[in-house]
Amino acid sequence: DAGVTQSPTHLIKTRGQQVTLRCSPKSGHDTVSWYQQALGQGPQFIFQYYEEEERQRGNFPDRFSGHQYPNYSSELNVNALLLGDSALYLCASGEREHRKNIQYFGAGTRLSVL
Amino acid sequence: SQQGEEDPQALSIQEGENATMNCSYKTSINNLQWYRQNSGRGLVHLILIRSNEREKHSGRLRVTLDTSKKSSSLLITASRAADTASYFCATANSNSGYALNFGKGTSLLVTP
Repeated sequence: DAGVTQSPTHLIKTRGQQVTLRCSPKSGHDTVSWYQQALGQGPQFIFQYYEEEERQRGNFPDRFSGHQYPNYSSELNVNALLLGDSALYLCASGEREHRKNIQYFGAGTRLSVL
Repeated sequence: SQQGEEDPQALSIQEGENATMNCSYKTSINNLQWYRQNSGRGLVHLILIRSNEREKHSGRLRVTLDTSKKSSSLLITASRAADTASYFCATANSNSGYALNFGKGTSLLVTP
């Protein structure tokens, strides 16, 4: 049973470009959340998707957008990249009915913006 | 903004010793979770303690929660080199909804 998978592992972009990160949730999970983790910091919640809709959003600008497909996989899109967007982007999946909100994380995509 | 704050920021111990790290948070919570992260990779859930629980054990892990002080501690007994990682506390409450609020973490180094 595969866990949460993310692609690509590493990505290098230049300022102003756009990037798409991908995530496949753990089998049986129907929610996907995205987190941004800057170096030396804890993960910061970007948003969560459920039933192909953004269910909740953290304090991130509209440059950050996402999508969830019928098979529960998800994408994170970031437009007009800034140097400050350089970070580890983590995808996490869970079960909507799981009241404890335990999240299962992928290995992350490390984005470097030059 | 970060909800939880871990203390200490870094901890270095030898194998066999116990490691204790603390977490303080700001608002009322539904539960508190501890996660481990190896070398900037994904986080792994370790243990969850509900707001109405005071102590919980899982293997070599012991977690306590003091809601009056808005604090939690994670104790790792008989540490091993493989325990070297960053440890984060994460809180969830009715205000945060589905989001987990993480602290900055404690970096633990266990030397042989």
